[in-house]
Amino acid sequence: EVQLVESGGGLVMPGGSLRLSCAASGFTFSSYYLSWVRQTPGKGLEWVSSISGSSYIYYADSVKGRFTISRDNAKNSLFLQMNSLGAEDTAVYYCATPYYDSSGYFVTLFDHWGPGTVVTVSS
Amino acid sequence: EIVMTQSPATLSVSPGERVTLSCRASQSVSNYLAWYQQKPGQAPRLLIYGASTKAIGIPARFSGTGSGTEFTLTISSLQSEDFAVYYCQHYNNWPPKCSFGQGTKLEIK
Repeated sequence: EVQLVESGGGLVMPGGSLRLSCAASGFTFSSYYLSWVRQTPGKGLEWVSSISGSSYIYYADSVKGRFTISRDNAKNSLFLQMNSLGAEDTAVYYCATPYYDSSGYFVTLFDHWGPGTVVTVSS
Repeated sequence: EIVMTQSPATLSVSPGERVTLSCRASQSVSNYLAWYQQKPGQAPRLLIYGASTKAIGIPARFSGTGSGTEFTLTISSLQSEDFAVYYCQHYNNWPPKCSFGQGTKLEIK
């Protein structure tokens, strides 16, 4: 069974930094794209970033230059380093895997999700 | 950026009713359209992709139609567990990006 568990969320001051982690199990971690998706009451669901098994990386324009996605295939872990945080980054952050069918997969079609970790940017 | 617009924002319906949710894309997305269900305190759950293909384990009462810019999700006979928020999503691969609608909340009438 695929399991994803995020951690590292919390309260951070504007301009501050935070590092999120996602512990994965139940699948061949190194073979999968993984993504971060966030959700706010105001803007709803927003794709943040994706990384391939061999570390091809993609970002949404809203976080490019401030966030860094990475992974440790030996530890089945995904990370999101968030710098220069602003109020607009306040959200629940989910890690997610793609949905696979007989035709293949789409990186941003999300199948398994973690329960999320809450990030609050406030003074 | 492709903007996804869902209507209505809230729908009050009774169990057993048939309901249709709408999603419109600001430009053609072909059939790269998915629907998710989200219940309070939970992550979204994939229901439909490719506009009309049900994900594994999704009950037959859920169906999706459409292509281009106009899409619908139909639930043929609402069950109590179907009261939730539904999101549409345009997705693509290269480069990976996606955009979600603002959601339609199904509430009990």
